[in-house]
Amino acid sequence: AQSVTQLGSHVSVSEGALVLLRCNYSSSVPPYLFWYVQYPNQGLQLLLKYTTGATLVKGINGFEAEFKKSETSFHLTKPSAHMSDAAEYFCAVRVGGSQGNLIFGKGTKLSVKP
Amino acid sequence: GAGVSQSPSNKVTEKGKDVELRCDPISGHTALYWYRQSLGQGLEFLIYFQGNSAPDKSGLPSDRFSAERTGGSVSTLTIQRTQQEDSAVYLCASSSGGGRNTIYFGEGSWLTVV
Repeated sequence: AQSVTQLGSHVSVSEGALVLLRCNYSSSVPPYLFWYVQYPNQGLQLLLKYTTGATLVKGINGFEAEFKKSETSFHLTKPSAHMSDAAEYFCAVRVGGSQGNLIFGKGTKLSVKP
Repeated sequence: GAGVSQSPSNKVTEKGKDVELRCDPISGHTALYWYRQSLGQGLEFLIYFQGNSAPDKSGLPSDRFSAERTGGSVSTLTIQRTQQEDSAVYLCASSSGGGRNTIYFGEGSWLTVV
C-alpha cells in the first residue's frame, strides 16, 4: 500500500528565508509524486510533479522538489520565502502508470513572518 | 468553463436530510475523483470514475454515500440521512487519461450539518 508522510504540520519562516517542506513516501512500485498548494477557501493547485526523468523538478512560484529514491523522499524547497507563499501544502503519491487516485499527506501549513 | 466546477459552494442542512453535490469536470477529462477534506482528517479519497464506471469506490465511508456519473461528464455525490460528522469540504477533481497527467481540483462544496 502507498502512503505519504509530511513532517511538521506547521512550519514558520521569515520572509526571504529558505522554505523546506518535507515529504516521505512509501510505495512498492515506482511512484508518481506531486505537490499541491491550497490557499484559504480555495481548491488545490498543482505546484509540481515528478513522473519519470530528471529527479529535480521545478514548479510554479519558484518552488522545486527533488525525488530521492534511496531516501524515499520528495522534499519541497524555495530559496526565498514571500508573504504570498503562506498557504497549506500537500504532498501526494500515485501508483506509477495508474490513472487511480492520489494518496495525500496530512498537509503542512506554511506561515511567513515579515 | 475552463476549470472543474462544483455546486453548491456552501450548503447547510439539517441532520437526517439528504444532500446532493454536483461536479462538472474539465471538458474531455475521462477520470473524475471525489475527496473529502475535514479538520484533523486531511484529504480523504472517496471514489474514482473512469468514464461512467467507478473502478474504485473503496473510500466511501458508509452506505449512506453514493455517487454517479452520467454521459462521461457530470457527477453527483449523494449523502443520505446526513450526520454531523459528514460536515466537511467535498472536493471534486478531474484528469485526462494517463497516470502522469495532472489531477485538477475544483474549489469544493462546503457542507455543514446542523
